[in-house]
Amino acid sequence: EAQVTQNPRYLITVTGKKLTVTCSQNMNHEYMSWYRQDPGLGLRQIYYSMNVEVTDKGDVPEGYKVSRKEKRNFPLILESPSPNQTSLYFCASSLRTGRITEAFFGQGTRLTVV
Amino acid sequence: DQQVKQNSPSLSVQEGRISILNCDYTNSMFDYFLWYKKYPAEGPTFLISISSIKDKNEDGRFTVFLNKSAKHLSLHIVPSQPGDSAVYFCAASAGTSYGKLTFGQGTILTVHP
Repeated sequence: EAQVTQNPRYLITVTGKKLTVTCSQNMNHEYMSWYRQDPGLGLRQIYYSMNVEVTDKGDVPEGYKVSRKEKRNFPLILESPSPNQTSLYFCASSLRTGRITEAFFGQGTRLTVV
Repeated sequence: DQQVKQNSPSLSVQEGRISILNCDYTNSMFDYFLWYKKYPAEGPTFLISISSIKDKNEDGRFTVFLNKSAKHLSLHIVPSQPGDSAVYFCAASAGTSYGKLTFGQGTILTVHP
């Protein structure tokens, strides 16, 4: 079954404690992205990757890091989480067919930073 | 600066009637537009898209209209069904920015039986 898998689904952590949210896709997609969803703001792109070792900032990259060492995995790293990073996070992947096509999203990770 | 705006936070419609969800954008470089549907506790799922070279795209009960001069797109659902109740996001991309999608705030659609 084609899917994007995020882990964990729920996470409560304390300010400053480094954490990683994993994302894996089994569709051999080139593009992968991370988004955060906040009330009244919709989905905002954090980082995206066009292929292995190729990443670029989205609209809200501050406080986040990503890496793309393998095609299927695109982890999101919060080196020093802060309460304003409490949010619902989504990973997405899509094919590269000359331009962006429809993205497939994971089920989301609800992060709370206290 | 919100480049893609969905000004209606919510919409309530009777089953069988038409649902019209609206989206405005400000970036004239956007040339590809998508609609996603999101149920609670799930990730968004792709619904329909349209390229800027078209002004209409249809897929079953769903039709997207694009008015480039007004920088406006709309999603029509006819007839609306209770299972259509979800949050709808419009998104846009610019041809020069592969991989970058800009989303609107979302509209909560409720279809009453």
